Amino acid sequence: SQQGEEDPQALSIQEGENATMNCSYKTSINNLQWYRQNSGRGLVHLILIRSNEREKHSGRLRVTLDTSKKSSSLLITASRAADTASYFCATAPIDGFGNEKLTFGTGTRLTIIP
Amino acid sequence: KAGVTQTPRYLIKTRGQQVTLSCSPISGHRSVSWYQQTPGQGLQFLFEYFSETQRNKGNFPGRFSGRQFSNSRSEMNVSTLELGDSALYLCASSRPGLAGVRQETQYFGPGTRLLVL
Repeated sequence: SQQGEEDPQALSIQEGENATMNCSYKTSINNLQWYRQNSGRGLVHLILIRSNEREKHSGRLRVTLDTSKKSSSLLITASRAADTASYFCATAPIDGFGNEKLTFGTGTRLTIIP
Repeated sequence: KAGVTQTPRYLIKTRGQQVTLSCSPISGHRSVSWYQQTPGQGLQFLFEYFSETQRNKGNFPGRFSGRQFSNSRSEMNVSTLELGDSALYLCASSRPGLAGVRQETQYFGPGTRLLVL
């Protein structure tokens, strides 16, 4: 079953604009990660935020985490055509089994219009 | 370092057959996890192997099995294939962590796309 729900399911923006996608999850987590997937290929790890962190930056990526609302957001600034992909949030259980058993959200399909 | 490799990349089978997929993790990685991705169910965890032992298991029927070899390479097997097994199968590897600390980042392979007719 899906732990996370992403919103929106699909997003189209002009190149250069910012893209924001949201993820909600259901249970307590150890950390939350964001991954990118291009055209049905493998996933690429983008950023990880731990449950005791509220915000994290990596290049043009900014992630926030609100554990009280069980939600996270991913902001991509100054979007580029190469950012066109599906983006997934993934949560690691707090049961001590580590991050080898990720639960993924439903994904947001981002399209950057040149 | 070479990334995670999966073979074959594409596979077509018919209902009732069985299939074996292979995954070679990044050198030095000892944990291998398998995921199934379908349009309807999304990405779902199948199982994880560490040091040749299954450490975690998802909610899939017994037709789905796996194993890991001493060199950390892993295989997954699906017996008695059903149409609904058509999917992209992804494996991911991660480094061994310090004692008591699990590694956090998983590195995914390109996947094996299985079509069951």
